[in-house]
Order: sequence, then structure tokens, then C-alpha cells
Amino acid sequence: DAKTTQPNSMESNEEEPVHLPCNHSTISGTDYIHWYRQLPSQGPEYVIHGLTSNVNNRMASLAIAEDRKSSTLILHRATLRDAAVYYCILSGYNFGNEKLTFGTGTRLTIIP
Amino acid sequence: SQTIHQWPATLVQPVGSPLSLECTVEGTSNPNLYWYRQAAGRGLQLLFYSVGIGQISSEVPQNLSASRPQDRQFILSSKKLLLSDSGFYLCACLGQTRGEQYFGPGTRLTVT
Repeated sequence: DAKTTQPNSMESNEEEPVHLPCNHSTISGTDYIHWYRQLPSQGPEYVIHGLTSNVNNRMASLAIAEDRKSSTLILHRATLRDAAVYYCILSGYNFGNEKLTFGTGTRLTIIP
Repeated sequence: SQTIHQWPATLVQPVGSPLSLECTVEGTSNPNLYWYRQAAGRGLQLLFYSVGIGQISSEVPQNLSASRPQDRQFILSSKKLLLSDSGFYLCACLGQTRGEQYFGPGTRLTVT
């Protein structure tokens, strides 16, 4: 499976945008990019995913580089509830038979 | 949307004792189900996944086993626990959107 590289930790001020980077230089043409987050003592929560085009949903935006070797999760206005570990995951699969490999992610701290 | 129930929430067991963790899913039928383990300070490790009743795939060799006796029930078991089995056990199911998995609240297991 292609691997991802994320910073171990990041800090951001409350109510400011947050850009969480992820490098995936060995991504294949069929790999999707997924982002999950895990709040303390909880299971991971799906955030967003994409293939080639930038994606937006109610939680965040996903910006994917043109060569797809990197992506950035954007939280437009961070709140204290966004403090979590964020995982960037690649998955190449046939829908209905997917497996996700979680790394250690980026621990995001929000400063009040 | 799917709801995943796991019990117990916490468990302390001595080395060598048996284990049975249960996961049930509501709000979907014939889901893909997954068992993950998260050791302290580590990422999630996929242990087992199932695409249907009686169909189990193991991702890593270990002293754990999984069973799926009913469509929406997934059980993780061990005959004899090891200290290294301590961790946060999470059950997940595949969502309706590509790349989306729903996670349960987890069981925190401490083997003493």
C-alpha cells in the first residue's frame, strides 16, 4: 500500500483556518485520499475524501495537488472541538471491499 | 445512518484469561465489518474484516479470532490473553459513501 507522511503535531489558534498537510508521493492512479479524525477516547470519525478534484463538505475542504503527490485538509475556522488526531489515508479498492491503513496522524492542538 | 454498539466499554483481564468483545450494528444490512486495535500512543491496526456471515479475513497473525454469527453482529475473541493484547478495540462498518467507515465507541482492554 502507498504510504502517507504527516507532521506529528500542529498548533493553531481558535477561530483561524488550519491547513493540515499530507504527502503521498507513491500514490497510484486509483488510490483515493481519505481523512479521518479521532477525538480523545473515541473512535475515528470520517471527515472527507477525494480522488483528483478539490472537495468541500460541511466539516472541511480537501485540496489535492495537481500531481496528487500531496493533499491538504483545510478547517476553515478552527474551534476547540477540532482538537484531535487527524489521519490521512490512501485506499485503492473496489467499493465494498475496502481496507484502511491508519498511520500515527497529526495531533492538532487548538489554542484558545 | 449506521449506529455501532460495542460492549463492554472497559475491561480489565488477567493474562491467560479468555476474551469476548461484541459489536452490533443498526441501520444497515449486510455491512462490511471491521475490528481494529489501537495500542497506547499508536495508530489503528486492522485485525479482521468480514464481508458477510461466517466470512472472516485476518490481517495479522495473533492469538485473537473473530466470528460473525449474524448479519449485524461481529465478535472478537481470545482463548488466552497476552499482555500485548492491551489496547483500544474498535469495531467499524462500511458506510454508504466510498471511503466512509463508521466506528463504534470502542472497548478499552487492559491485560494485567
